[in-house]
Amino acid sequence: GAVVSQHPSWVICKSGTSVKIECRSLDFQATTMFWYRQFPKQSLMLMATSNEGSKATYEQGVEKDKFLINHASLTLSTLTVTSAHPEDSSFYICSARGTPVSGANVLTFGAGSRLTVL
Amino acid sequence: GEDVEQSLFLSVREGDSSVINCTYTDSSSTYLYWYKQEPGAGLQLLTYIFSNMDMKQDQRLTVLLNKKDKHLSLRIADTQTGDSAIYFCAESIPSGTYKYIFGTGTRLKVLA
Repeated sequence: GAVVSQHPSWVICKSGTSVKIECRSLDFQATTMFWYRQFPKQSLMLMATSNEGSKATYEQGVEKDKFLINHASLTLSTLTVTSAHPEDSSFYICSARGTPVSGANVLTFGAGSRLTVL
Repeated sequence: GEDVEQSLFLSVREGDSSVINCTYTDSSSTYLYWYKQEPGAGLQLLTYIFSNMDMKQDQRLTVLLNKKDKHLSLRIADTQTGDSAIYFCAESIPSGTYKYIFGTGTRLKVLA
Protein backbone atom coordinates (compact mmCIF):
# COMPACT_ATOMS: atom_id res chain seq x y z
CA GLY A 1 0.00 0.00 0.00
CA ALA A 2 0.84 3.65 -0.14
CA VAL A 3 3.44 4.81 2.37
CA VAL A 4 4.28 8.33 3.46
CA SER A 5 7.51 8.92 5.30
CA GLN A 6 7.90 11.95 7.52
CA HIS A 7 11.19 13.13 8.93
CA PRO A 8 12.27 13.96 11.56
CA SER A 9 9.85 12.21 13.90
CA TRP A 10 10.82 14.57 16.68
CA VAL A 11 12.97 17.67 16.93
CA ILE A 12 13.97 20.04 19.70
CA CYS A 13 15.27 23.45 18.75
CA LYS A 14 16.10 26.80 20.31
CA SER A 15 13.78 29.74 19.97
CA GLY A 16 14.58 31.79 16.86
CA THR A 17 15.92 28.94 14.77
CA SER A 18 14.24 27.39 11.74
CA VAL A 19 13.21 23.78 11.42
CA LYS A 20 12.49 21.82 8.26
CA ILE A 21 10.18 18.81 8.18
CA GLU A 22 10.11 16.52 5.16
CA CYS A 23 7.22 14.51 3.84
CA ARG A 24 7.90 11.87 1.19
CA SER A 25 5.58 9.57 -0.69
CA LEU A 26 7.60 6.39 -1.01
CA ASP A 27 5.81 4.30 -3.58
CA PHE A 28 3.47 6.66 -5.33
CA GLN A 29 3.42 10.11 -6.82
CA ALA A 30 1.58 12.67 -4.77
CA THR A 31 0.30 15.64 -6.72
CA THR A 32 -1.20 17.06 -3.57
CA MET A 33 0.06 16.95 -0.01
CA PHE A 34 -1.54 18.39 3.09
CA TRP A 35 0.06 19.71 6.24
CA TYR A 36 -1.78 19.49 9.54
CA ARG A 37 -1.06 20.66 13.02
CA GLN A 38 -2.37 18.82 16.05
CA PHE A 39 -2.46 20.25 19.54
CA PRO A 40 -2.52 17.88 22.52
CA LYS A 41 -5.82 16.00 22.79
CA GLN A 42 -7.26 17.94 19.88
CA SER A 43 -8.19 17.27 16.31
CA LEU A 44 -6.11 17.94 13.24
CA MET A 45 -6.07 21.47 11.95
CA LEU A 46 -5.37 21.82 8.25
CA MET A 47 -2.59 24.35 7.75
CA ALA A 48 -2.05 24.27 4.02
CA THR A 49 -2.42 22.35 0.81
CA SER A 50 0.78 21.77 -1.07
CA ASN A 51 0.59 21.30 -4.84
CA GLU A 52 3.52 20.08 -6.86
CA GLY A 53 5.04 22.84 -8.93
CA SER A 54 2.87 25.65 -7.61
CA LYS A 55 2.42 27.76 -4.51
CA ALA A 56 0.82 26.24 -1.46
CA THR A 57 -2.68 27.25 -0.45
CA TYR A 58 -2.83 28.30 3.17
CA GLU A 59 -5.85 28.09 5.43
CA GLN A 60 -7.18 31.19 7.07
CA GLY A 61 -5.11 32.28 10.02
CA VAL A 62 -1.96 30.38 9.01
CA GLU A 63 1.01 32.66 8.36
CA LYS A 64 2.61 31.68 5.07
CA ASP A 65 5.83 33.50 5.91
CA LYS A 66 6.05 31.60 9.16
CA PHE A 67 5.30 28.17 7.72
CA LEU A 68 7.07 27.86 4.39
CA ILE A 69 5.94 25.00 2.20
CA ASN A 70 7.77 23.71 -0.82
CA HIS A 71 6.56 20.89 -3.06
CA ALA A 72 9.34 20.67 -5.60
CA SER A 73 8.72 17.12 -6.79
CA LEU A 74 5.91 14.60 -6.98
CA THR A 75 7.31 12.73 -3.99
CA LEU A 76 8.52 15.43 -1.61
CA SER A 77 6.97 18.33 0.26
CA THR A 78 8.74 20.25 2.99
CA LEU A 79 7.43 22.43 5.79
CA THR A 80 9.85 24.94 7.29
CA VAL A 81 8.92 26.58 10.55
CA THR A 82 10.86 29.83 10.44
CA SER A 83 12.09 31.67 13.53
CA ALA A 84 10.40 29.13 15.74
CA HIS A 85 8.96 30.14 19.10
CA PRO A 86 7.64 28.02 21.98
CA GLU A 87 4.06 28.51 20.79
CA ASP A 88 5.01 26.72 17.57
CA SER A 89 5.62 23.55 19.57
CA SER A 90 3.17 21.01 18.27
CA PHE A 91 2.69 17.75 16.42
CA TYR A 92 2.85 18.31 12.67
CA ILE A 93 1.43 15.66 10.35
CA CYS A 94 1.58 15.49 6.59
CA SER A 95 -0.60 13.50 4.28
CA ALA A 96 -0.54 12.76 0.60
CA ARG A 97 -3.24 12.12 -1.94
CA GLY A 98 -2.26 9.79 -4.73
CA THR A 99 -4.37 8.08 -7.29
CA PRO A 100 -7.99 7.73 -6.15
CA VAL A 101 -8.90 4.27 -4.84
CA SER A 102 -12.23 3.19 -6.27
CA GLY A 103 -13.05 6.86 -6.59
CA ALA A 104 -12.27 7.62 -2.96
CA ASN A 105 -9.67 10.28 -2.30
CA VAL A 106 -7.85 8.33 0.35
CA LEU A 107 -5.18 10.24 2.20
CA THR A 108 -2.13 8.45 3.48
CA PHE A 109 -0.61 10.02 6.56
CA GLY A 110 2.93 10.30 7.75
CA ALA A 111 3.80 9.29 11.31
CA GLY A 112 4.04 12.91 12.38
CA SER A 113 6.80 15.18 13.63
CA ARG A 114 6.82 16.46 17.18
CA LEU A 115 8.42 19.88 17.41
CA THR A 116 9.50 21.28 20.75
CA VAL A 117 10.84 24.82 20.80
CA LEU A 118 12.76 25.78 23.91
CA GLY B 1 -20.23 25.76 7.11
CA GLU B 2 -18.12 22.68 7.60
CA ASP B 3 -18.29 21.09 11.02
CA VAL B 4 -17.73 17.51 12.17
CA GLU B 5 -18.56 16.54 15.73
CA GLN B 6 -17.77 13.47 17.80
CA SER B 7 -18.16 12.53 21.42
CA LEU B 8 -14.84 12.88 23.23
CA PHE B 9 -14.60 9.65 25.17
CA LEU B 10 -15.81 6.08 25.09
CA SER B 11 -14.93 3.29 27.48
CA VAL B 12 -15.85 -0.35 26.87
CA ARG B 13 -14.90 -3.73 28.25
CA GLU B 14 -12.79 -6.12 26.24
CA GLY B 15 -14.99 -8.34 24.08
CA ASP B 16 -17.88 -5.88 23.96
CA SER B 17 -18.85 -3.88 20.90
CA SER B 18 -17.88 -0.22 20.59
CA VAL B 19 -19.93 2.33 18.70
CA ILE B 20 -18.35 5.66 17.85
CA ASN B 21 -20.64 8.33 16.48
CA CYS B 22 -20.01 11.30 14.22
CA THR B 23 -22.21 14.07 12.88
CA TYR B 24 -21.35 16.36 10.01
CA THR B 25 -22.95 19.38 8.42
CA ASP B 26 -21.79 19.52 4.80
CA SER B 27 -24.25 17.60 2.62
CA SER B 28 -21.90 17.74 -0.37
CA SER B 29 -19.54 15.20 1.20
CA THR B 30 -18.60 12.52 -1.30
CA TYR B 31 -16.79 10.11 0.96
CA LEU B 32 -16.60 9.71 4.71
CA TYR B 33 -13.68 8.10 6.47
CA TRP B 34 -12.66 6.61 9.75
CA TYR B 35 -9.05 6.95 10.90
CA LYS B 36 -7.30 5.55 13.97
CA GLN B 37 -4.50 7.36 15.78
CA GLU B 38 -2.36 5.64 18.37
CA PRO B 39 -0.33 7.74 20.84
CA GLY B 40 2.42 9.76 19.17
CA ALA B 41 1.66 8.36 15.74
CA GLY B 42 0.08 9.46 12.50
CA LEU B 43 -3.35 8.47 11.29
CA GLN B 44 -4.17 5.03 9.96
CA LEU B 45 -7.09 4.63 7.57
CA LEU B 46 -9.55 2.08 8.88
CA THR B 47 -12.34 2.27 6.36
CA TYR B 48 -14.36 4.64 4.23
CA ILE B 49 -17.84 4.79 2.78
CA PHE B 50 -19.26 6.46 -0.30
CA SER B 51 -21.98 8.95 0.49
CA ASN B 52 -24.68 7.06 -1.44
CA MET B 53 -24.17 3.91 0.63
CA ASP B 54 -25.78 3.32 4.00
CA MET B 55 -23.63 0.49 5.31
CA LYS B 56 -20.22 -1.04 4.82
CA GLN B 57 -18.78 -4.00 6.67
CA ASP B 58 -15.11 -4.88 6.85
CA GLN B 59 -14.23 -7.72 9.24
CA ARG B 60 -14.84 -6.38 12.78
CA LEU B 61 -15.76 -2.93 11.50
CA THR B 62 -19.24 -1.83 10.46
CA VAL B 63 -19.89 1.67 9.17
CA LEU B 64 -23.42 3.02 9.13
CA LEU B 65 -24.31 6.20 7.29
CA ASN B 66 -27.56 8.11 7.66
CA LYS B 67 -27.24 10.76 5.01
CA LYS B 68 -30.57 12.38 5.85
CA ASP B 69 -29.48 13.00 9.44
CA LYS B 70 -25.82 13.49 8.47
CA HIS B 71 -24.82 10.85 10.98
CA LEU B 72 -21.99 8.37 10.65
CA SER B 73 -21.07 5.59 13.05
CA LEU B 74 -18.30 3.06 13.42
CA ARG B 75 -19.01 -0.20 15.22
CA ILE B 76 -16.09 -2.32 16.36
CA ALA B 77 -17.12 -5.86 17.21
CA ASP B 78 -15.28 -7.86 19.88
CA THR B 79 -13.25 -4.84 20.96
CA GLN B 80 -9.70 -5.64 22.03
CA THR B 81 -7.21 -3.71 24.17
CA GLY B 82 -5.24 -3.00 21.00
CA ASP B 83 -8.20 -1.01 19.73
CA SER B 84 -7.57 1.63 22.39
CA ALA B 85 -6.76 4.78 20.43
CA ILE B 86 -8.30 8.00 19.15
CA TYR B 87 -10.74 7.58 16.29
CA PHE B 88 -11.37 10.39 13.84
CA CYS B 89 -14.14 10.60 11.30
CA ALA B 90 -13.53 12.81 8.31
CA GLU B 91 -15.48 14.00 5.33
CA SER B 92 -14.09 14.69 1.89
CA ILE B 93 -15.39 17.91 0.40
CA PRO B 94 -15.30 18.21 -3.40
CA SER B 95 -13.77 21.68 -3.33
CA GLY B 96 -11.08 21.33 -5.95
CA THR B 97 -8.40 19.79 -3.80
CA TYR B 98 -10.77 17.43 -1.97
CA LYS B 99 -9.59 18.50 1.44
CA TYR B 100 -10.69 16.58 4.48
CA ILE B 101 -12.57 18.00 7.41
CA PHE B 102 -11.75 16.02 10.54
CA GLY B 103 -13.95 15.42 13.51
CA THR B 104 -12.87 16.25 17.01
CA GLY B 105 -11.78 12.67 17.69
CA THR B 106 -13.12 10.06 20.12
CA ARG B 107 -10.74 8.53 22.62
CA LEU B 108 -11.61 4.85 23.01
CA LYS B 109 -10.41 3.08 26.11
CA VAL B 110 -10.79 -0.68 26.26
CA LEU B 111 -10.79 -2.17 29.74
CA ALA B 112 -9.39 -5.65 30.24
